Amino acid sequence: GENVEQHPSTLSVQEGDSAVIKCTYSDSASNYFPWYKQELGKRPQLIIDIRSNVGEKKDQRIAVTLNKTAKHFSLHITETQPEDSAVYFCAASKGSSYKLIFGSGTRLLVRP
Amino acid sequence: DAMVIQNPRYQVTQFGKPVTLSCSQTLNHNVMYWYQQKSSQAPKLLFHYYDKDFNNEADTPDNFQSRRPNTSFCFLDIRSPGLGDAAMYLCATSRTGQKQETQYFGPGTRLLVL
Repeated sequence: GENVEQHPSTLSVQEGDSAVIKCTYSDSASNYFPWYKQELGKRPQLIIDIRSNVGEKKDQRIAVTLNKTAKHFSLHITETQPEDSAVYFCAASKGSSYKLIFGSGTRLLVRP
Repeated sequence: DAMVIQNPRYQVTQFGKPVTLSCSQTLNHNVMYWYQQKSSQAPKLLFHYYDKDFNNEADTPDNFQSRRPNTSFCFLDIRSPGLGDAAMYLCATSRTGQKQETQYFGPGTRLLVL
């Protein structure tokens, strides 16, 4: 079945630096890739998503890139702030299924 | 505001005592999901409803059941909770269309089993 691998499991950066989280998926039919941010004790919240017909999408300090050939996608956060500290989950889905296959999560810590 | 609501936010139950968690949504989404999440692990899908059609995950224990009486409401029943069932239970919804739509999560119910 579909598998999504996410790296790194933890990431610590200085405030103002950039953070990059990478995910690799196994099913070449996957065509939808959301990223969720989950603060401690709260719900996962969608921060950005990308579909397979585009290679990059940006929303202010957050961007996602997709390489369909290599079957990997990445989250880029620039000018990190302490409030970016959270667990980030990538996920993959394909149009024939309504299920999201989640990566294992990355705990991001932004040091003031 | 349109949203996904879960009640209660915290639930304490005794070992073996049945418990029901509820989810409601005002988004008019036709797909509803139940996830189990333990200590910052990824959410684990238990089952989902596509309209009225129930779809169980192969590894979801029989101890977990679900009901969806109408579009807006969905319930998770745990028939005989064990200590290992203590977790955050997340409800999510999405709308089907020409392309995969975003899943929106409720705030979750944290279940404690004594």
